[in-house]
Amino acid sequence: SSELTQDPAVSVALGQTVRITCQGDSLRNFYASWYQQKPGQAPVLVIYNKNNRPSGIPDRFSGSSSGNTASLTITGAQAEDEADYYCNSRDSSANRLVVFGGGTRLTVL
Amino acid sequence: QLQLQESGPGLVKPSETLSLTCTVSGGSISSSSYFWGWIRQPPGKGLEWIGSIYYSGTTYYNPSLKSRVTISVDTSRNQFSLKLSSVTAADTAVYYCARHRQSIVTTEIDNWGQGTLVTVSS
Repeated sequence: SSELTQDPAVSVALGQTVRITCQGDSLRNFYASWYQQKPGQAPVLVIYNKNNRPSGIPDRFSGSSSGNTASLTITGAQAEDEADYYCNSRDSSANRLVVFGGGTRLTVL
Repeated sequence: QLQLQESGPGLVKPSETLSLTCTVSGGSISSSSYFWGWIRQPPGKGLEWIGSIYYSGTTYYNPSLKSRVTISVDTSRNQFSLKLSSVTAADTAVYYCARHRQSIVTTEIDNWGQGTLVTVSS
C-alpha cells in the first residue's frame, strides 16, 4: 500500500480548473513531484521540487503544498490532459529514496 | 538527448530470476548528479519503486522487495541491471528503468525508459 494517498479518480469539464491532491506524512518534510501517464506510455515528469515545470510542460500545470498535502493544479484543462497522474516524494526512511502515490485518473469531460 | 532502453526476457518462469538491463545513451551513467532506478507497474495498477543505484555502486532498495532484489552498474558499458529472484505471478509488470535526481528535500524522475513487459508464467 502507498504511503502517499491520492483520490482514485477526478473529472473536470473542458477548460475548467482541477486540483489533484496527494497526502502523506513524508510531505511535511519533502517536496512532491508529479507525473502524467497516458495509456501505453511511460510516465512524464510535469512538476518537480514542489512547483517547477520541466521544459516543454505547459504553464497550465502548477504545484503547491501545505502541511501533509501536495496538490497539482491544471488551470484550463485540455482534452489531452486526460491521463493518470502520480505524485512521488522521498520517504522518511534514509534508504527508501522514492515513494509513489496510488495515482489519480483524470477524465476531461 | 538522454535515452534509456530496457532489455531482457519478456517471459520468466515462476521461482526463477528476472533479469533486465538498462542501456543509457546520450549521457554518462557516471554523472554525480543522478541515481539510476527501476520502477514497475503491474497491469492496470500503479507505480512501485524497486530500487536505485548510484554510479559508485551504492544501492537503495524498496524494503518490501529488498530480500529478492539486486541492482548493479557497469559504468564501462553505461548500463545498469536488475535481478529479481524467486518470482511469482505477482511480479508480472511493465518494468521501467529511469534516471532520478535526489536532494535533501526532493526526488524527481526526469527520464524514463519506454518500459518492458515481463510476464511470469510457466
